[in-house]
Amino acid sequence: NAGVMQNPRHLVRRRGQEARLRCSPMKGHSHVYWYRQLPEEGLKFMVYLQKENIIDESGMPKERFSAEFPKEGPSILRIQQVVRGDSAAYFCASSPLGFTEAFFGQGTRLTVV
Amino acid sequence: GESVGLHLPTLSVQEGDNSIINCAYSNSASDYFIWYKQESGKGPQFIIDIRSNMDKRQGQRVTVLLNKTVKHLSLQIAATQPGDSAVYFCAENMEAAGNKLTFGGGTRVLVKP
Repeated sequence: NAGVMQNPRHLVRRRGQEARLRCSPMKGHSHVYWYRQLPEEGLKFMVYLQKENIIDESGMPKERFSAEFPKEGPSILRIQQVVRGDSAAYFCASSPLGFTEAFFGQGTRLTVV
Repeated sequence: GESVGLHLPTLSVQEGDNSIINCAYSNSASDYFIWYKQESGKGPQFIIDIRSNMDKRQGQRVTVLLNKTVKHLSLQIAATQPGDSAVYFCAENMEAAGNKLTFGGGTRVLVKP
């Protein structure tokens, strides 16, 4: 059983471009969480999704950021018109229904130049 | 000894000694408290958790203590090994909030051979 898979591991974008980050949860996991981590800081919650539903997006900026978890395929975190301040590591975690332990992927490190 | 670095507090410990990492939390309504280990370039890895109605839980070489009176959590690592060098984060979990995690600021542990 593969762990949580995130790709790409590293992503470089120029200011104004779009960044698409993908997360495939562990098999059988229906809950996906996205977190952002700045260097030397803890992870900050962004959004919580279940299949085809956004449950909690209270940690996600209102503009330029969106997330989805379609019925088929990976969860996608999309950042439009990236700015230098978006440079960070973005982690995805998944868990099965009713389970408190979340399993994290290796993250996508976004660098905006 | 323990020192405050530029960003993350750092705990330097001799190999074979015991380590104690401390964390203050803010939300007395949290249901679970979890310790994660994060190695450089990797995602957080679950170590141990403790439910809010407990005050101590032991795992393999690790013990978590919870003091709800002063909102304090600690992680004790017995016989610290070089592989324990990492950044350690505590996190709070509220089931009513969909199990999203609120992370603390982290402590870097450096194990000296």
